[in-house]
Amino acid sequence: DTAVSQTPKYLVTQMGNDKSIKCEQNLGHDTMYWYKQDSKKFLKIMFSYNNKELIINETVPNRFSPKSPDKAHLNLHINSLELGDSAVYFCASSPVNYGYTFGSGTRLTVV
Amino acid sequence: GENVEQHPSTLSVQEGDSAVIKCTYSDSASNYFPWYKQELGKRPQLIIDIRSNVGEKKDQRIAVTLNKTAKHFSLHITETQPEDSAVYFCADLTDSWGKLQFGAGTQVVVTP
Repeated sequence: DTAVSQTPKYLVTQMGNDKSIKCEQNLGHDTMYWYKQDSKKFLKIMFSYNNKELIINETVPNRFSPKSPDKAHLNLHINSLELGDSAVYFCASSPVNYGYTFGSGTRLTVV
Repeated sequence: GENVEQHPSTLSVQEGDSAVIKCTYSDSASNYFPWYKQELGKRPQLIIDIRSNVGEKKDQRIAVTLNKTAKHFSLHITETQPEDSAVYFCADLTDSWGKLQFGAGTQVVVTP
């Protein structure tokens, strides 16, 4: 059983489209995160949820909207995709104040 | 913490030699310091971590040291092997909600 699973693994889409990435964790962790990894490998936090409640919302365009239907799921919806949104998006989960378990990532390519 | 600096950005070592990566943090409230290894096309994976009440931690060929006074921590890999080739990230945590601030990563290449 995969601890943190993301779908899809690859996503190729045209500019202006709307897309969603889904994440689920079966570790029983209270906190889930979305990170963006750019072409230079830098990992930057986007959002964090604790027990379905948004607790971290970094400076991210409001075209990005996270949703957590329950503490095991954290989805990311992106509206009006732009070329600069191309990156690998990682979901992660953790108990509070411990290291993360990352999902396998979603490679988003906007053309 | 607001800023974690990681050096070097690339590190090439001969198989069997040691590799050291150093990170510096700015927030004295930082209290947890994990290290992640990311192989090409894979997810970052936690390999070792240390808390601020400990100066050193070792797990087989990898070790982490923490100098709270100087606000830096280091990853040491001994007897490097080709499978150690990856990007390594340090991180620190001060946020009570678990937000990790990552360093920029170090590309380690171990040549046979």
